[in-house]
Amino acid sequence: AQSVTQLDSQVPVFEEAPVELRCNYSSSVSVYLFWYVQYPNQGLQLLLKYTSAATLVKGINGFEAEFNKSQTSFHLRKPSVHISDTAEYFCAVSRGGSNYKLTFGKGTLLTVNP
Amino acid sequence: EAQVTQNPRYLITVTGKKLTVTCSQNMNHEYMSWYRQDPGLGLRQIYYSMNVEVTDKGDVPEGYKVSRKEKRNFPLILESPSPNQTSLYFCASSFASSGVYGYTFGSGTRLTVV
Repeated sequence: AQSVTQLDSQVPVFEEAPVELRCNYSSSVSVYLFWYVQYPNQGLQLLLKYTSAATLVKGINGFEAEFNKSQTSFHLRKPSVHISDTAEYFCAVSRGGSNYKLTFGKGTLLTVNP
Repeated sequence: EAQVTQNPRYLITVTGKKLTVTCSQNMNHEYMSWYRQDPGLGLRQIYYSMNVEVTDKGDVPEGYKVSRKEKRNFPLILESPSPNQTSLYFCASSFASSGVYGYTFGSGTRLTVV
């Protein structure tokens, strides 16, 4: 079975500071990994995904994530955050192939303060 | 515009009164799924469908029903809602060729059962 652990439930930062949101996964087979963002009162939007190509993945809004197989991690980073990045971020894992299920972490609330 | 449309966006109902939340996608996706989102628990899968007339239970199916009579529609049915089904519900869809694409999500339905 696959699972995802988001190590921080809340991350407060100041505007223009760098941020890292941590995600570890567990799976016995090769996986696809995703980060989704949920702005207040909205649905989930795909930020970026890892699908076994380059280990450093760039997404929308200046975010990037690095797949680390040995540490089973897929941490999300941004070098300089804005107030508008305040949102909840979800890491998710899929085994791919004939298994389409996305398993989500519990989410990390990023709050960017002025 | 490619999208997943859920209705209604907000719903307040009373215990035991049957309700249906509709979900429709215009991307010809084979795979559709329902999730519920609760604070501190992330997103948990309720039911999914691999194609027309093919449905299966997710992680938290108790108290819910689904049907997939047409490819584009995947309604969620609560035959006798209870207060513990108060939650934010998301419908999602994807191509079935692999798990590599991730999901497209609807905007959500906030259900309150009193």
